[in-house]
Amino acid sequence: GAVVSQHPSWVICKSGTSVKIECRSLDFQATTMFWYRQFPKQSLMLMATSNEGSKATYEQGVEKDKFLINHASLTLSTLTVTSAHPEDSSFYICSARGTGTSLYKMQFFGPGTRLTVL
Amino acid sequence: DAKTTQPPSMDCAEGRAANLPCNHSTISGNEYVYWYRQIHSQGPQYIIHGLKNNETNEMASLIITEDRKSSTLILPHATLRDTAVYYCIPYTGTASKLTFGTGTRLQVTL
Repeated sequence: GAVVSQHPSWVICKSGTSVKIECRSLDFQATTMFWYRQFPKQSLMLMATSNEGSKATYEQGVEKDKFLINHASLTLSTLTVTSAHPEDSSFYICSARGTGTSLYKMQFFGPGTRLTVL
Repeated sequence: DAKTTQPPSMDCAEGRAANLPCNHSTISGNEYVYWYRQIHSQGPQYIIHGLKNNETNEMASLIITEDRKSSTLILPHATLRDTAVYYCIPYTGTASKLTFGTGTRLQVTL
């Protein structure tokens, strides 16, 4: 149990286009989801925290108008990279925090999405 | 948030126990110690967590010192598939954020 999926697993796009990445909790409900970014040979950096039905909270230095996050249901959050540029090329990883006694305090991660902007 | 110190890299022979240390001397009383690992080009995988007592599951054992300032993750019989970056993270699990440091890169060799 406690599986998080991401789609797509990799995407290549042209500079200036927008890309949407989906994050789903498959077998549990997640009131809170998180989006991370990881550049080569670096650690994961938290970009934003999203709670179902409310606006996302972005970390300092992350442009909220560029990285649009929607958390419309307890099992789905989306990250849209708007007007992508080569410097946005990175590994994007989502995670979901479960509810309920056994899953509370647990954060489960998706497999990641490799974005390459040409 | 508490800071952690982990050795940047470790080697372990396959079949041997891998002992990964972590210092978290500024951990708060309500913070658990969580361990995750990240295999190359994958999302992090939860391993184990604990508050005060030692914990064991099917993947690993976690030893936490009595003063909670440090802990050790033990992989009892390391395999090549355990090669990954291991992260030790103090975390309350509720309103706080799971913040990743630089971790320990464990290389398991034949």
